[in-house]
Amino acid sequence: DAGVIQSPRHEVTEMGQEVTLRCKPISGHNSLFWYRQTMMRGLELLIYFNNNVPIDDSGMPEDRFSAKMPNASFSTLKIQPSEPRDSAVYFCASSPRDTQYFGPGTRLTVL
Amino acid sequence: AQSVAQPEDQVNVAEGNPLTVKCTYSVSGNPYLFWYVQYPNRGLQFLLKYITGDNLVKGSYGFEAEFNKSQTSFHLKKPSALVSDSALYFCAVRDMGTTGFQKLVFGTGTRLLVSP
Repeated sequence: DAGVIQSPRHEVTEMGQEVTLRCKPISGHNSLFWYRQTMMRGLELLIYFNNNVPIDDSGMPEDRFSAKMPNASFSTLKIQPSEPRDSAVYFCASSPRDTQYFGPGTRLTVL
Repeated sequence: AQSVAQPEDQVNVAEGNPLTVKCTYSVSGNPYLFWYVQYPNRGLQFLLKYITGDNLVKGSYGFEAEFNKSQTSFHLKKPSALVSDSALYFCAVRDMGTTGFQKLVFGTGTRLLVSP
């Protein structure tokens, strides 16, 4: 299995631009999680889905953040408009039951 | 709410010596506990988990963890540390929350530095 796939691996953008991060979970996993990691705040859970349905988005920092899961094999996290404080590594993870398997992350830099 | 605490920001150990990374938990009910490792510029990797059964759980790369109910601890251990074990280690606990769906609550992480 290829594991969780995330794209792009690195993204550099300017403040105000729209950013879309993509995730392909492991086939057969029914839960998907989006996390953000920074030095200051550590690892934060942003939102998670079960069977493509958003379960809890209380970790999404602002209305500028949105996430979708149109089908079992694809999810997006969008930031519009982006701000420098959004600079972080964003991880996607998928899970068949309790154990989560993480992707390699997308390093986002907003100038 | 379920939570875990990692009391040490960093642990230093010499190569060849045993290592311990500490984790304590606070849960209602039976705990599902996990350890993950993060190498530089990589995602978190699953090491091992405790659900039920033997208090000593064996995992990847020679790591093991000891579940201690009376001390509410789940410390990660390895008999002989390698320089390549240097990484960030996260303890986590399963949380069903109010939704009834499973998520993991992670600790703040402990940086392990193994010196040659």
